[in-house]
Amino acid sequence: GESVGLHLPTLSVQEGDNSIINCAYSNSASDYFIWYKQESGKGPQFIIDIRSNMDKRQGQRVTVLLNKTVKHLSLQIAATQPGDSAVYFCAEIADTGRRALTFGSGTRLQVQP
Amino acid sequence: KAGVTQTPRYLIKTRGQQVTLSCSPISGHRSVSWYQQTPGQGLQFLFEYFSETQRNKGNFPGRFSGRQFSNSRSEMNVSTLELGDSALYLCASSTGSLAKGGYTFGSGTRLTVV
Repeated sequence: GESVGLHLPTLSVQEGDNSIINCAYSNSASDYFIWYKQESGKGPQFIIDIRSNMDKRQGQRVTVLLNKTVKHLSLQIAATQPGDSAVYFCAEIADTGRRALTFGSGTRLQVQP
Repeated sequence: KAGVTQTPRYLIKTRGQQVTLSCSPISGHRSVSWYQQTPGQGLQFLFEYFSETQRNKGNFPGRFSGRQFSNSRSEMNVSTLELGDSALYLCASSTGSLAKGGYTFGSGTRLTVV
């Protein structure tokens, strides 16, 4: 069945370093991928998205890379700050069929000052 | 503009009771989706409503139900509560199409079943 998973449950980085969070997905029919950030006591917050016809998209301090050949998604955060500490989820959705986000299990990012 | 509002924020119920959670989407959004978040199962899709009709449904028992009103506000109901229903219930608001940042989540309702 459809599944989205993460390689690393916890990532600890030093403030100012770059962070890379990885995600593997299994549904080749997914059209749209989203990265969310969830802080304690809050709902998931949109960070960046990418469509399946793209392989890279950049935002402010964040970059998402999509490799459809190996069904891999990554989120790169440049110059990581303490405020980036949170749990990060990747999610996928297909444009047809059941329109529902399938989430990965999440990676906790800890930024050490 | 106002975000997604979920009420109540916290709820404690006893096994066997029922509960109703509420979600007010972003103004103009016609789609409301519900997700359950637990430490063991992560984020799982419950159902989606669009223009007062259930458009999609996840793999949850019939004890979980929902509805959407003409103003797009949505409620979900869980009957005959079980301990395993303890979770954070999240509502996501959307225009209904896969647009940039298409799904905006509320802060959730934390349900504890004792």
